[in-house]
Amino acid sequence: TQLLEQSPQFLSIQEGENLTVYCNSSSVFSSLQWYRQEPGEGPVLLVTVVTGGEVKKLKRLTFQFGDARKDSSLHITAAQPGDTGLYLCAGTASGTYKYIFGTGTRLKVLA
Amino acid sequence: EAQVTQNPRYLITVTGKKLTVTCSQNMNHEYMSWYRQDPGLGLRQIYYSMNVEVTDKGDVPEGYKVSRKEKRNFPLILESPSPNQTSLYFCASSLFSDIRTDTQYFGPGTRLTVL
Repeated sequence: TQLLEQSPQFLSIQEGENLTVYCNSSSVFSSLQWYRQEPGEGPVLLVTVVTGGEVKKLKRLTFQFGDARKDSSLHITAAQPGDTGLYLCAGTASGTYKYIFGTGTRLKVLA
Repeated sequence: EAQVTQNPRYLITVTGKKLTVTCSQNMNHEYMSWYRQDPGLGLRQIYYSMNVEVTDKGDVPEGYKVSRKEKRNFPLILESPSPNQTSLYFCASSLFSDIRTDTQYFGPGTRLTVL
């Protein structure tokens, strides 16, 4: 069974600080996606990474896919209160049409 | 407006009383899916459907049924709900052009409590 583990589970930081969230697996994924979920809403896709070693930037957010395609990271520079939310990584189980989601990282950015 | 709608948004019921949570999308998407979200466990896929009349089990299908008679609708049925099915449920849909890169669009969620 393919699993995605995220760390840390919780993160509370001050506005302006930098942070990194990790998404790890012992299995190879053909792609990984990152979603953000705000209270009372469904997750919203932020980015998809497909190629090993790929780096994508979305304003202050930088996403990286590991060379071996077993892990990914999300780095936020100069965090703002608007970045507060639950961050989820997700991938498709190889050979299936099933999605696997990570356990999530709950981020709180204090003003 | 392109969206996924779920009804009801909140539901409190008792053990054993059959219920249906509806899901509808207006984006002509092929792929639809149901998830449950529990603290510390992230999202877990219950069932998914790649097209009308084509459904398959996700990781936690026990105690749930689905049907896909029309492209836009994908109801989730709990024939005999139990307290361990108390959870936050999400419906999602996507194009199904490339499962690796498709964007899933999620509904607003249904909070179910089974007493």
